[in-house]
Amino acid sequence: EVQLVDSGGGLVQPGGSLRLSCAASGFSVSNNYMGWVRQTPGKGLEWVSVMYSGGSAYYAESVKGRFTMSRDTAKNAVHLEMNSLRPEDTGVYYCARQQWLVMLGPNGFDYWGQGTLVTVSS
Amino acid sequence: DIHMTQSPSSLSASVGDRVSITCRASQGISDSLAWYQHKPGKAPKLLVYDASRLETGVPSRFSGSGSGADYTLTISSLQPEDFATYYCQHYFSPPYIFGQGTKVEMK
Repeated sequence: EVQLVDSGGGLVQPGGSLRLSCAASGFSVSNNYMGWVRQTPGKGLEWVSVMYSGGSAYYAESVKGRFTMSRDTAKNAVHLEMNSLRPEDTGVYYCARQQWLVMLGPNGFDYWGQGTLVTVSS
Repeated sequence: DIHMTQSPSSLSASVGDRVSITCRASQGISDSLAWYQHKPGKAPKLLVYDASRLETGVPSRFSGSGSGADYTLTISSLQPEDFATYYCQHYFSPPYIFGQGTKVEMK
């Protein structure tokens, strides 16, 4: 069974750092495209980042240069290192797998973690 | 970057109503579009991918259509469990931007 478990959220002061983790089971993160999506208070879903199976990573303009995505093949997990955090980074962060179908290629995010809450406040 | 304009931002409807939500991309995205349902406290749920392909297990009252830059999600007969917020998202090339969301409320 495919499952994603998000962890690592918490309260951090502006300018601080936090590392989110996403533990996967039922599939290999190294063979899939993995992403992070957040929902900020009063706003909708915001795409944050994606890491392709080849290791290339891409980021939203709002987090570029501050957030870094990585993966741990041995633990079958992905991480999001967040630095220089701002109050506007507050929200629930979800890890998700981008579905890949034979003959169709990558498409939507089909499996999601339960989300982890990040609060940036003094 | 390719931006998504979703409308309406909210709508009120009754059980049994036909509901349509539209999404316009700032350029053609070759059907690289997904629709999600999101309920408070839950993870988003993939409904449609590649603009018109229904994800496994999603009821057939949901359908997606469109081409080029303009896409539509239709719920043919709204059910009580369908009251939620719906989002489109393109995956043509990063950043995979979401639409602003449409909250479907009970009339």
